Amino acid sequence: EAQVTQNPRYLITVTGKKLTVTCSQNMNHEYMSWYRQDPGLGLRQIYYSMNVEVTDKGDVPEGYKVSRKEKRNFPLILESPSPNQTSLYFCASSLSTGYGNQPQHFGDGTRLSIL
Amino acid sequence: GQQVMQIPQYQHVQEGEDFTTYCNSSTTLSNIQWYKQRPGGHPVFLIQLVKSGEVKKQKRLTFQFGEAKKNSSLHITATQTTDVGTYFCAGDNYGQNFVFGPGTRLSVLP
Repeated sequence: EAQVTQNPRYLITVTGKKLTVTCSQNMNHEYMSWYRQDPGLGLRQIYYSMNVEVTDKGDVPEGYKVSRKEKRNFPLILESPSPNQTSLYFCASSLSTGYGNQPQHFGDGTRLSIL
Repeated sequence: GQQVMQIPQYQHVQEGEDFTTYCNSSTTLSNIQWYKQRPGGHPVFLIQLVKSGEVKKQKRLTFQFGEAKKNSSLHITATQTTDVGTYFCAGDNYGQNFVFGPGTRLSVLP
């Protein structure tokens, strides 16, 4: 089954404790992206990747890191989480992006609470 | 930077009534996509519009892309309780970035 898998689905942690949210897709998609969703603000892009070893900042990259060492994986790293990073996070992938944009497929989401 | 706005933010309708959400971009878009997110779920792709003035239909849903490619609308005829959720538009600024609107949350009263 074609899907985007995120782990964990839920996480409660404390300020400053490094954490990683994994994202994996099995559709051989080139483009992957991370979003955070907050009430009233919709989906805001954190980082995106056009292909392996290529990553770019989205609209709200501060406090986050990503890597794209393999085509299928795109982990989101919070080196020193803070309470303002409490949010619902979505990973998404698409065949490509840019001109001739393709639909994005979303994972089920990860709800992070930073105390 | 590019901004995408949606109105209304919330809409409550009686089952059977029509519903429309509007999407406006600060810049010209190469294409626009619409997504639906059910409560507790993730966004799911509905449709993509590419051409100026394009109109597409999916059963009771009608999508339009403005002539200037800066605005779009989603119209639902005779809403049903299964239409409940948040509807997002998302615009592609010719490959420079991809921005989601804040969404319109639809409630349908039976």
